[in-house]
Amino acid sequence: QKEVEQDPGPLSVPEGAIVSLNCTYSNSAFQYFMWYRQYSRKGPELLMYTYSSGNKEDGRFTAQVDKSSKYISLFIRDSQPSDSATYLCAMSADTGGFKTIFGAGTRLFVKA
Amino acid sequence: DVKVTQSSRYLVKRTGEKVFLECVQDMDHENMFWYRQDPGLGLRLIYFSYDVKMKEKGDIPEGYSVSREKKERFSLILESASTNQTSMYLCASLPQGRPYEQYFGPGTRLTVT
Repeated sequence: QKEVEQDPGPLSVPEGAIVSLNCTYSNSAFQYFMWYRQYSRKGPELLMYTYSSGNKEDGRFTAQVDKSSKYISLFIRDSQPSDSATYLCAMSADTGGFKTIFGAGTRLFVKA
Repeated sequence: DVKVTQSSRYLVKRTGEKVFLECVQDMDHENMFWYRQDPGLGLRLIYFSYDVKMKEKGDIPEGYSVSREKKERFSLILESASTNQTSMYLCASLPQGRPYEQYFGPGTRLTVT
């Protein structure tokens, strides 16, 4: 079993839709939960991160972490064609510092 | 703005060749990483370095080596390229104390024929 599971999609939605992207994980030591966005032919860029449990909102984006279920989500409201990209969840533990585990990434298409 | 640059965007090499991939970051970050990205597998860590001349194996180090002689530069070496090393290679840097914020380069698409 992979430490982090993410549905690769692709996910295709109309402009303006609410998008829900999800990951599950198995390592209860993870404390940092990140979402990276990767446009075609570019490297990933950090979109949002959450420390431990709870929600975090940034404009049209909301990240949720449910540690009891080992489940994290990213919601995109009022999706735009410019949101079309691959979204990777990522996680790391509080100790041992450097190692981040990435999901496989979900490819999102937002159609105008 | 943090900038991570990689020496080539596209590279085609023959089986058995020695291949060098270079990565440079301009923000004085202590930590640097090499990943490969394959469809359905996500990013897999090859090697990382937390200081000059220091290196640690990641999850898939076989067939690779690294060099970090200067803080800003981290090189990935394929000792004898094989077709199963055809992949996208991504370099990243990470500031100390912010384990959530990796900065990635644009990637090198390596094809081994």
